[in-house]
Amino acid sequence: AQSVTQLGSHVSVSEGALVLLRCNYSSSVPPYLFWYVQYPNQGLQLLLKYTSAATLVKGINGFEAEFKKSETSFHLTKPSAHMSDAAEYFCAVSSGGYNKLIFGAGTRLAVHP
Amino acid sequence: EADIYQTPRYLVIGTGKKITLECSQTMGHDKMYWYQQDPGMELHLIHYSYGVNSTEKGDLSSESTVSRIRTEHFPLTLESARPSHTSQYLCASSATSGRRGDEQFFGPGTRLTVL
Repeated sequence: AQSVTQLGSHVSVSEGALVLLRCNYSSSVPPYLFWYVQYPNQGLQLLLKYTSAATLVKGINGFEAEFKKSETSFHLTKPSAHMSDAAEYFCAVSSGGYNKLIFGAGTRLAVHP
Repeated sequence: EADIYQTPRYLVIGTGKKITLECSQTMGHDKMYWYQQDPGMELHLIHYSYGVNSTEKGDLSSESTVSRIRTEHFPLTLESARPSHTSQYLCASSATSGRRGDEQFFGPGTRLTVL
């Protein structure tokens, strides 16, 4: 069975600082992993995904994530936070057939001046 | 650009009423999904469909029902709304390739409040 754990339900950074959002997964098959972002009162938007190609995945808005099989991790990073990055971030793993997704509990990112 | 629509965006309704949440997509995707999301919590899959006339229950038990008589349309119905149904409902769709790496596209959600 697949599962996702996001460490830290709330993360606060200063504008311009490094953003690091943690995600660990459990999967009985080679995982397909996703990061989505959700702004207030909106649906989810895909930031990036890992599908067994390059282990370092670049996404939109300057975000990237590195797949580390030995650590079962897929942490999301951005070198320099912007105020517009404040949102809820969800890590997900693809589960079984029909492309179902298992989501983590989410991490709310706050960016302060 | 992903085109998936949900109506209404917000709904406040009394206990016992029948409601239908609408979801439509214009991308021709075969696979569609409904998720339930409580504030500050993860999304839980409650229904999915892999094509016309096929529906399956998701990982989280739900009293809602769904139908899929057209590819683009995947409505969710609650026959008798209760306060425990208060939540945000998100609809999504994905491409027909069947690969596990296919992205899901999400609608803006319906925030339901049952009084």
